[in-house]
Amino acid sequence: DGGITQSPKYLFRKEGQNVTLSCEQNLNHDAMYWYRQDPGQGLRLIYYSQIVNDFQKGDIAEGYSVSREKKESFPLTVTSAQKNPTAFYLCASSMGYSYNSPLHFGNGTRLTVT
Amino acid sequence: QKEVEQDPGPLSVPEGAIVSLNCTYSNSAFQYFMWYRQYSRKGPELLMYTYSSGNKEDGRFTAQVDKSSKYISLFIRDSQPSDSATYLCAMSAGGNNRLAFGKGNQVVVIP
Repeated sequence: DGGITQSPKYLFRKEGQNVTLSCEQNLNHDAMYWYRQDPGQGLRLIYYSQIVNDFQKGDIAEGYSVSREKKESFPLTVTSAQKNPTAFYLCASSMGYSYNSPLHFGNGTRLTVT
Repeated sequence: QKEVEQDPGPLSVPEGAIVSLNCTYSNSAFQYFMWYRQYSRKGPELLMYTYSSGNKEDGRFTAQVDKSSKYISLFIRDSQPSDSATYLCAMSAGGNNRLAFGKGNQVVVIP
C-alpha cells in the first residue's frame, strides 16, 4: 500500500532537547511538506520541499530545520529554539507543487515537551 | 481578517440528518477548493476537490462554491456515525500558491 509513514506516533522530550520527527513516503511524490496543527489554529506550514536537496521556509519555520537528501524522506527537527514545540505535526506529500496536486497526509506525530 | 474563516463547531446532528458546513474567504484569487476529513488522532484525507464556482457531487457528499460571495459549502446527506470527524476546508489561487486552510469544523453524528 502506498502512503506516508510518520514515526513515532507519540514523542516526549524534555525542554532544551532537539528532537527529529520522521516522514517517509512511497508514493513517488516530488513535493513534501510539514504542517503543525494546534487546537483552534488550523494547519500552519512549517517547511516544504519541491525536489530533493531543496526546501523552503513556510509560515512558521523559526525553531525548526529540515533536510531532503532522498525523495522518499523529509525529516523535521524541532530545535530547542522553538518556543512552543508541543503540538501535532503532520507530514504531507503531493505529486507536484501546484494547485492540482492534492496533499496526502500521514497520521501525524504528537510531540509533548515538558 | 483571516484568509479563510470556518466555524469550529462542534456541530451535533442525529443520524440520517443533512450536515451543512461552510467556509468564507477574503482572497478573490482563490479558485481551487478542497474539503478534507480528519478523524481523531489521524491525518486529514481529501474528500472533495472543486475548481471555480459550481457544485460537485460524490455519493452522499456535495461541495458548492460561490465565488461571488466568497463562500464554499459541504453537504453530507443521510449522515452516519462514521461521518463524525473534523472537516477542514482548504483553498488555493493556483500555480505555486500555497494552500490556505480553515481551522476545521468538528461534526458529531449521534446514532
